[in-house]
Amino acid sequence: GIQVEQSPPDLILQEGANSTLRCNFSDSVNNLQWFHQNPWGQLINLFYIPSGTKQNGRLSATTVATERYSLLYISSSQTTDSGVYFCAVGPYNNNDMRFGAGTRLTVKP
Amino acid sequence: DAGVIQSPRHEVTEMGQEVTLRCKPISGHDYLFWYRQTMMRGLELLIYFNNNVPIDDSGMPEDRFSAKMPNASFSTLKIQPSEPRDSAVYFCASSPLFVGDGYTFGSGTRLTVV
Repeated sequence: GIQVEQSPPDLILQEGANSTLRCNFSDSVNNLQWFHQNPWGQLINLFYIPSGTKQNGRLSATTVATERYSLLYISSSQTTDSGVYFCAVGPYNNNDMRFGAGTRLTVKP
Repeated sequence: DAGVIQSPRHEVTEMGQEVTLRCKPISGHDYLFWYRQTMMRGLELLIYFNNNVPIDDSGMPEDRFSAKMPNASFSTLKIQPSEPRDSAVYFCASSPLFVGDGYTFGSGTRLTVV
């Protein structure tokens, strides 16, 4: 099956700093999404981005499908950005998503 | 829509007991997924359904686990008998045919088997 690797595994920032999270995947994918799991455990869909670039406020994401990686950018981080960020990918002709191990982000005030 | 609804939110049970977790997907969604999250193994896909039909159950850990979707608005995940190693957070998610239109997770059920 598809392998999903996320880096770094842990990231600690001061409030206001910028960060880049990376997701590498081992095969061609039809679907790619980024999720945020907040400290209360809720998984929130951030981006559906199998290719190209999208932006939503302070967050943006870029996927280079031909090189099998995706990047999530967080600018001017806030304490509410803390939590675990997951990349999930799905193969062609299929809606099931396989998750990476996540990047645990801690933003300190 | 109220989103994906899971119940119960927390479940504590004794080893050997039967446990049933419930999920109501978003109305109109074609797919339903069951995931398990543990510190050691992360988020694992257990089984998923398309239009109430099980498509892939290769992630179900063993025969003690079973899942059903009797209709478009309800699914269950059952563990019988339960064991302490089944302790985890179980998530249900649903999506429309085009996953980019809204892959949505429920709040999860935290299961503790003592």
